[in-house]
Amino acid sequence: AAGVIQSPRHLIKEKRETATLKCYPIPRHDTVYWYQQGPGQDPQFLISFYEKMQSDKGSIPDRFSAQQFSDYHSELNMSSLELGDSALYFCASSLKLIGGLHTDTQYFGPGTRLTVL
Amino acid sequence: AQSVTQLGSHVSVSEGALVLLRCNYSSSVPPYLFWYVQYPNQGLQLLLKYTTGATLVKGINGFEAEFKKSETSFHLTKPSAHMSDAAEYFCAVSVSGNQFYFGTGTSLTVIP
Repeated sequence: AAGVIQSPRHLIKEKRETATLKCYPIPRHDTVYWYQQGPGQDPQFLISFYEKMQSDKGSIPDRFSAQQFSDYHSELNMSSLELGDSALYFCASSLKLIGGLHTDTQYFGPGTRLTVL
Repeated sequence: AQSVTQLGSHVSVSEGALVLLRCNYSSSVPPYLFWYVQYPNQGLQLLLKYTTGATLVKGINGFEAEFKKSETSFHLTKPSAHMSDAAEYFCAVSVSGNQFYFGTGTSLTVIP
């Protein structure tokens, strides 16, 4: 079965540079979530989108922005990168059920490992 | 607000021994509960989930968990540990399928 695809898998950037992470959800899934996992830490929710609209916002820095496109893929844009942004960034997707409730399961991609030097 | 507490950041068991990873949650409404496993340098893989119905849920790789509302717990167990079970395990809670709140994770080591 098709899974969540994230690209690139690894990214190395310098401080103050920008980075763009891409997420392709499972086919027919309409909701995308972004998480940040620092070294030795649990995943922290950043932001989510449903039908191209932001649906929930977590601890996402103002330097970061994200959007969901008409084909449901999502991009996380990160500017003015800092050393502390080095982390594993996960994307997850889910499908909204009839009646307005999200499916109960988020399926995670393999992550993008961002290293800021 | 929702939160998850995983007792024991590191657990070591002998191969063939019982695995018990603890998870307690806090939620103002009935939660959905999940266990995910993460192998080194890999993503999160769903082990099992509880939403409604039977409180004892079975997952992949022989794992199971029991939802105990009175104890606000969702502990993960496996009768006999295998070397391939060595990984990081995360308990997560969500409400109505929105954002997940993860515990801090438990690193499982299996001793030959």
